[in-house]
Amino acid sequence: EVQLVESGGGVVQPGGSLRLSCAASGFSFSSYFMYWVRQAPGKGLLWVSHINNGGVVTTYADSVKGRFTISRDDAKSTLDLQMNSLRAEDTAVYYCVRGHLYPPHYFDLWGRGTLVTVSS
Amino acid sequence: EIVLTQSPATLSLSPGETATLSCRASQSVGNYLGWYQQKPGQAPRLLIYDVFNRATGIPAKFSGSGSGTDFTLTISDLEPEDFAVYYCQHRNDWPLTFGGGTKVEIK
Repeated sequence: EVQLVESGGGVVQPGGSLRLSCAASGFSFSSYFMYWVRQAPGKGLLWVSHINNGGVVTTYADSVKGRFTISRDDAKSTLDLQMNSLRAEDTAVYYCVRGHLYPPHYFDLWGRGTLVTVSS
Repeated sequence: EIVLTQSPATLSLSPGETATLSCRASQSVGNYLGWYQQKPGQAPRLLIYDVFNRATGIPAKFSGSGSGTDFTLTISDLEPEDFAVYYCQHRNDWPLTFGGGTKVEIK
């Protein structure tokens, strides 16, 4: 089955760290750009980060730049997001997302999401 | 950053009617505009990419149009499963951004 499964969400205090993981299956993971997109409770969608196939190129939203790091392991078909210096405004459901092959930078496969709550 | 403004925020329609959703960009995104559907408790689903191309498995009742800064998603013959929130998204440059969404609700 073609799917993405996120893990690692939870409750963390402001200033803390959390590492999200995403396990991909059913497709050739190494061929695809991958992304993280988040959605605060009751709010809209926000693109967080992107990594190209091969893992050489990464991009980040300004709101997370310098605090979050995206990485991938093509041998294990996994995508990670290391989140440091977390803030209350980072509270959201984080989706692991596969990029549309062509044209790129659309999101054609989504995980179910993992909830990150930043609160004291 | 390109800001996408969707209107209306809420659209109240009856089954069988046609929904017309608007997405306006703060600067030209060329033809690099897509649409997603999100139902409560679910992840979004890609409907349309590059203005008018339907994603895999998306029925012809969903159609997109526009260019530059003004785009439209049209949903014909609304069925109960079409009532959801719809988001537009551009891929013109970084950062990728989404519109604030239009909720299509049953009248």
